[in-house]
Amino acid sequence: TQLLEQSPQFLSIQEGENLTVYCNSSSVFSSLQWYRQEPGEGPVLLVTVVTGGEVKKLKRLTFQFGDARKDSSLHITAAQPGDTGLYLCAGHNQAGTALIFGKGTTLSVSS
Amino acid sequence: GAGVSQSPSNKVTEKGKDVELRCDPISGHTALYWYRQSLGQGLEFLIYFQGNSAPDKSGLPSDRFSAERTGGSVSTLTIQRTQQEDSAVYLCASSFSRNNEQFFGPGTRLTVL
Repeated sequence: TQLLEQSPQFLSIQEGENLTVYCNSSSVFSSLQWYRQEPGEGPVLLVTVVTGGEVKKLKRLTFQFGDARKDSSLHITAAQPGDTGLYLCAGHNQAGTALIFGKGTTLSVSS
Repeated sequence: GAGVSQSPSNKVTEKGKDVELRCDPISGHTALYWYRQSLGQGLEFLIYFQGNSAPDKSGLPSDRFSAERTGGSVSTLTIQRTQQEDSAVYLCASSFSRNNEQFFGPGTRLTVL
């Protein structure tokens, strides 16, 4: 069974701080995706990482895919209140018919 | 263009009643997915439709759950004899094809009293 474990589950920080969210699995994934979800809305795709060791940057967000393609991380530099939300990692199941999601990290950034 | 839409946005029902949830995917998207999001369980896959192929129903939690997709477009998720543990947000997503980016609707929040 493919599982994705995310940590931490909750994160409450002050504006300007840095943070890292982790997504780990014992299974190899062909790619991993990171989503952000706000209350009352569906998840929105932030990035897809495909190659082992890959690093992608999206403004203050840096995404990394592990060399063995079993884990990924999301690092936010100088967090802002607008970064508040639920961050989810996801990967396709072996059949490619669905996404398997981690349970998410709820981030709260206060000013 | 229009995104994925779902209706109703909120549904409150009594235990034992049947409910129908509707999803309108993005026009031209051949793949459609239903997920359930509940506290403590995260987002769980329910069912996947691709064109005219037989759906992947492997995520449906019990035979009280069923879904159909008419004309390759609109989909309806039906829950019969609802139970309190069915309370959750039901999310629909669509994509151009399998393994492409999935676009999610805002969800239907179901509360079973």
